[in-house]
Amino acid sequence: GIQVEQSPPDLILQEGANSTLRCNFSDSVNNLQWFHQNPWGQLINLFYIPSGTKQNGRLSATTVATERYSLLYISSSQTTDSGVYFCAVDSLTGGGNKLTFGTGTQLKVEL
Amino acid sequence: DTAVSQTPKYLVTQMGNDKSIKCEQNLGHDTMYWYKQDSKKFLKIMFSYNNKELIINETVPNRFSPKSPDKAHLNLHINSLELGDSAVYFCASSRGGRLEKLFFGSGTQLSVL
Repeated sequence: GIQVEQSPPDLILQEGANSTLRCNFSDSVNNLQWFHQNPWGQLINLFYIPSGTKQNGRLSATTVATERYSLLYISSSQTTDSGVYFCAVDSLTGGGNKLTFGTGTQLKVEL
Repeated sequence: DTAVSQTPKYLVTQMGNDKSIKCEQNLGHDTMYWYKQDSKKFLKIMFSYNNKELIINETVPNRFSPKSPDKAHLNLHINSLELGDSAVYFCASSRGGRLEKLFFGSGTQLSVL
């Protein structure tokens, strides 16, 4: 099956700093999504982005499908950004109804 | 209004017991899922239902039986619980027959003692 690798595995930021999280995948995809799992365990969908660039407030994401990677940018980080960020993909051969998740990036934003 | 709601939030039980987790979505979505998150936070799909029909069953032990009475509900029944079943179980839903944006419930923390 498709492999999804995220980097870095852990990240500590000072409030106000910017960061880039990376997601590499091993096969062509027709679906890519970014999620934030907050410290209380809730999984929030940030972006549905199989290709191109999207922005939502301080967050933006870019997927370069031909090169098999996606980036999540967090600008002016806040303590509420802490948690785990997951990238998830569905490969072109995956049947169209199954997201494979990466192992996540654990982010801590400190004052 | 919670879009995807699941109950209970916490479930503590003894080995060998049978338990159920309920899930409901009010988004009008056609497809619902169960995901399992282990202690290392790895998320893996278990089942997917589209309009009450099972479309994905990811080599899950047959002690786990999903049931979808209608497209807004997907319940998970687990027989003969084992220690290794301890995890967080997430229900999710998406619009349409082909996976689009996925929305998760708040999770059920299952602890088997």
